[in-house]
Amino acid sequence: AQSVTQLDSQVPVFEEAPVELRCNYSSSVSVYLFWYVQYPNQGLQLLLKYLSGSTLVESINGFEAEFNKSQTSFHLRKPSVHISDTAEYFCAGNTDKLIFGTGTRLQVFP
Amino acid sequence: EPEVTQTPSHQVTQMGQEVILRCVPISNHLYFYWYRQILGQKVEFLVSFYNNEISEKSEIFDDQFSVERPDGSNFTLKIRSTKLEDSAMYFCASSRGTGHQFFGPGTRLTVL
Repeated sequence: AQSVTQLDSQVPVFEEAPVELRCNYSSSVSVYLFWYVQYPNQGLQLLLKYLSGSTLVESINGFEAEFNKSQTSFHLRKPSVHISDTAEYFCAGNTDKLIFGTGTRLQVFP
Repeated sequence: EPEVTQTPSHQVTQMGQEVILRCVPISNHLYFYWYRQILGQKVEFLVSFYNNEISEKSEIFDDQFSVERPDGSNFTLKIRSTKLEDSAMYFCASSRGTGHQFFGPGTRLTVL
């Protein structure tokens, strides 16, 4: 069955600390992978995507994710988080209908 | 930058009533989608639409649901007889092809 798994439902961190949000996908999910961010009371915004090519993809606000085929992972990282990064983060995959993970709530504390 | 819009932002309805959720996809996009997110749960695929017909639907998308593209701009989701469990955030998305889907801000549906 197709699935995208986010093991961490919540990740609390202090400001300026590094963070990693984990995402694993089943091998039956086509390797188009995405991270979406949902700020409180807002819709889903694309953070970054992997379609092909370089396995390391970056967003404009300092997040990066690395596609790892052998580990079927697409973990999201940021070396130094900001209060404004507090949000729900969803990993998703597939080519047409998106299969979403259950989401990880990143809570950044001052 | 073009964006997907959805109206209304919040819809409250009585159980058994019909609701229509509206979406305006990005103008040059060809693929359209509806997803829903029950409070505290993950985003779930409902239906995809291409070339004026449903291309795929999930088991959630039963006979109570329908989609329509009545004109060149709108894409609607109709729920014929709402149930309490239909309360959720409904997201519309569109794309030019495979890859990046652009999501709207969502419509929060509350069924009383």
